[in-house]
Amino acid sequence: AQTVTQSQPEMSVQEAETVTLSCTYDTSESDYYLFWYKQPPSRQMILVIRQEAYKQQNATENRFSVNFQKAAKSFSLKISDSQLGDAAMYFCAYWPGANSKLTFGKGITLSVRP
Amino acid sequence: DTEVTQTPKHLVMGMTNKKSLKCEQHMGHRAMYWYKQKAKKPPELMFVYSYEKLSINESVPSRFSPECPNSSLLNLHLHALQPEDSALYLCASSQGRGGPGETQYFGPGTRLLVL
Repeated sequence: AQTVTQSQPEMSVQEAETVTLSCTYDTSESDYYLFWYKQPPSRQMILVIRQEAYKQQNATENRFSVNFQKAAKSFSLKISDSQLGDAAMYFCAYWPGANSKLTFGKGITLSVRP
Repeated sequence: DTEVTQTPKHLVMGMTNKKSLKCEQHMGHRAMYWYKQKAKKPPELMFVYSYEKLSINESVPSRFSPECPNSSLLNLHLHALQPEDSALYLCASSQGRGGPGETQYFGPGTRLLVL
């Protein structure tokens, strides 16, 4: 069975600084998707960034980038120039693909200090 | 547009009531999902519909009854719920064909309180 591990329950970052959120996963599949979702207290689960396992290039979306290490089964999220609006719970998720189960990590609560 | 809408936003119901949650998307997605989420926890998958057919049921109690009347609409019928069923119910959709770009997009959720 696939598992996703987010070992840090909470992190804090100073506004404008950079923070990295860690995630590891376990799978025997070779093709899959990895995601980071953000869930603010307003509760909407928002897609931050996605990575397809067959792509070697790390995904980037503006201030958000990932470090995808397929062999190590590691998928960390780097947030640059942190903003107050980045404060939220962040979930790392693994997905084999359509019509299958999206497996989430336990999540990490990120706070941003002004 | 990656919008999934859910109604109602909040719902309070007694244990003998019957109510329904509604989810809608107009992205042409052919896979739709129901999740249950407790506070400070990750979402838990309940059901998956693929091309309007139920493809995954994660051993959910029969007091939850899903329905997919068409490719844009997903309902969750609730009957005789228990207080422990109080949670945020999230709907999601994806293209359903696999391949590049396949992603689950979530709605804002329905906050359910069972008294």
